[in-house]
Amino acid sequence: EAGVAQSPRYKIIEKRQSVAFWCNPISGHATLYWYQQILGQGPKLLIQFQNNGVVDDSQLPKDRFSAERLKGVDSTLKIQPAKLEDSAVYLCASSSTTDTQYFGPGTRLTVL
Amino acid sequence: QQQVKQSPQSLIVQKGGISIINCAYENTAFDYFPWYQQFPGKGPALLIAIRPDVSEKKEGRFTISFNKSAKQFSLHIMDSQPGDSATYFCAAKDSGTYKYIFGTGTRLKVLA
Repeated sequence: EAGVAQSPRYKIIEKRQSVAFWCNPISGHATLYWYQQILGQGPKLLIQFQNNGVVDDSQLPKDRFSAERLKGVDSTLKIQPAKLEDSAVYLCASSSTTDTQYFGPGTRLTVL
Repeated sequence: QQQVKQSPQSLIVQKGGISIINCAYENTAFDYFPWYQQFPGKGPALLIAIRPDVSEKKEGRFTISFNKSAKQFSLHIMDSQPGDSATYFCAAKDSGTYKYIFGTGTRLKVLA
């Protein structure tokens, strides 16, 4: 089966600009996760969707980050405006059951 | 407590040796414990996982040992190879929220 797809793979922006990331989960996977991974650290959950509903967004900086999952399939994560500390890899993952989650390749964001 | 503590931060092993990475948790609601392998520029990939009703699981050269009473689990890589050089993350899934908590990662280097 096809894996989790993410785009773009790399993005460089100036601080205060906006950026959007896209994720296409594995077909049939109801649960979708967005993680932020800062260099040298483990992934930190930003938001978790079950179908198109939000299960957990407690660590999402809602003043600048937003995410949506239309029709319970694809998802977008947006940052507006970006700060220097947002430089990280943004990982999308999906799972069909409550256990195994599969990660996409990630989007490496550099904020200058 | 939602933390998963992972050690060591880095590990150097000779080819053919045994690599051991340890994780500890406090939340008794965790019910699934996966290990992920991550190469530079790639998303984490599921390596092996265990549930708390099993004390050990082996897949090829990779073994998870699980101590429920001590709330600890570890990854053993037997006959370590240079191709195993990567960052390894342990994780734990909360049975109520389906949220994954990741350890801080262990950078493994296997010397040829």
